[in-house]
Amino acid sequence: DTAVSQTPKYLVTQMGNDKSIKCEQNLGHDTMYWYKQDSKKFLKIMFSYNNKELIINETVPNRFSPKSPDKAHLNLHINSLELGDSAVYFCASSPIAEKGTGELFFGEGSRLTVL
Amino acid sequence: QQQVKQSPQSLIVQKGGISIINCAYENTAFDYFPWYQQFPGKGPALLIAIRPDVSEKKEGRFTISFNKSAKQFSLHIMDSQPGDSATYFCAASMRGYKLSFGAGTTVTVRA
Repeated sequence: DTAVSQTPKYLVTQMGNDKSIKCEQNLGHDTMYWYKQDSKKFLKIMFSYNNKELIINETVPNRFSPKSPDKAHLNLHINSLELGDSAVYFCASSPIAEKGTGELFFGEGSRLTVL
Repeated sequence: QQQVKQSPQSLIVQKGGISIINCAYENTAFDYFPWYQQFPGKGPALLIAIRPDVSEKKEGRFTISFNKSAKQFSLHIMDSQPGDSATYFCAASMRGYKLSFGAGTTVTVRA
């Protein structure tokens, strides 16, 4: 059973298009995240939701819009794709922050290539 | 602004050798310091973690050393094996909230 699953795994698209990445977790966690990993492997947090409520929104262009229909799902929609959006996007989940562990459980990533 | 600085960017070690990765932080409010391991094509996974009230933590061949006064911590991989070849990320957070990652170290273990 995959704990955090993302679809699609690979995404190749043209500049200017709109695309979505979906994420689901079956760990029963309250908090979910989107991270972006660039070509130098640097991991940067983009968004975090706690029980469907947005709690972290880093300085991300408003072309990126997360949506959490329930606490097990967190989707990422990207409008008007640009070349610089090419990266691997990771979804992650964690137990509630008050537990203090901060352990993140990552999906396998969605590699987005913008041509 | 990167809150956790990690070095080296990459290292090569012979099988059986010791790999050492160093990290430094500025925010004294950080109270949780994990290390994540990432294999190609996979997401990062928690390897080992430490809190600042402990100076060292060991799990198998992996050891974290923590120096609170210097605001530094390091990962030692003893008896490195080819299967340890991966990218390692240090990280830090306050009470598990908003984990900040270092830039990563790619470790290659030569057989």
